[in-house]
Amino acid sequence: NAGVMQNPRHLVRRRGQEARLRCSPMKGHSHVYWYRQLPEEGLKFMVYLQKENIIDESGMPKERFSAEFPKEGPSILRIQQVVRGDSAAYFCASSPVGLEAGTQYFGPGTRLLVL
Amino acid sequence: DAKTTQPPSMDCAEGRAANLPCNHSTISGNEYVYWYRQIHSQGPQYIIHGLKNNETNEMASLIITEDRKSSTLILPHATLRDTAVYYCIVPNYGGSQGNLIFGKGTKLSVKP
Repeated sequence: NAGVMQNPRHLVRRRGQEARLRCSPMKGHSHVYWYRQLPEEGLKFMVYLQKENIIDESGMPKERFSAEFPKEGPSILRIQQVVRGDSAAYFCASSPVGLEAGTQYFGPGTRLLVL
Repeated sequence: DAKTTQPPSMDCAEGRAANLPCNHSTISGNEYVYWYRQIHSQGPQYIIHGLKNNETNEMASLIITEDRKSSTLILPHATLRDTAVYYCIVPNYGGSQGNLIFGKGTKLSVKP
């Protein structure tokens, strides 16, 4: 059973470009979570999605960031007009329906570098 | 804010048991305690969770005090590969099931 997949693993963008980060949850998981880890800091929750629904986006910056989890395909975290402060590791996690919410399984992360 | 407090760092000799403490004095009756770890540059890894009773799996044991205000994660025979930051988390169920709050954790260094 493959784990959570994220791609790309590394992404370099220039200021003002768009970044698209993809996350494929574990098979059978319909809940997806995105976290951001700035250099030398802890993980911060960004958004929680179920298929076609955003459940909690309390950790998302108000501008330039958006997330979706369509009926088919991976979850996408989109960052428009990136700035240097967006450089971070972005982790996706998934959980199955019915388990306690704390049991999340994480992917390897996408390292975004904004030049 | 995290509901838990942990020592910032600990050392452990290879092959010995590593005992990582966590205080969660404000935990309520239906809240679980979860442990994750993050090995350098990797995604966090789920280790174990518990409510009231002690738990054991292939990775670790979790000892929860009777009043549930603290717990200890035990790695019975630590190896160099167990060097990581260990996070004790009480998930925030209020309003959302998704919000894991990662504090600063305990940086465990396993030494030869």
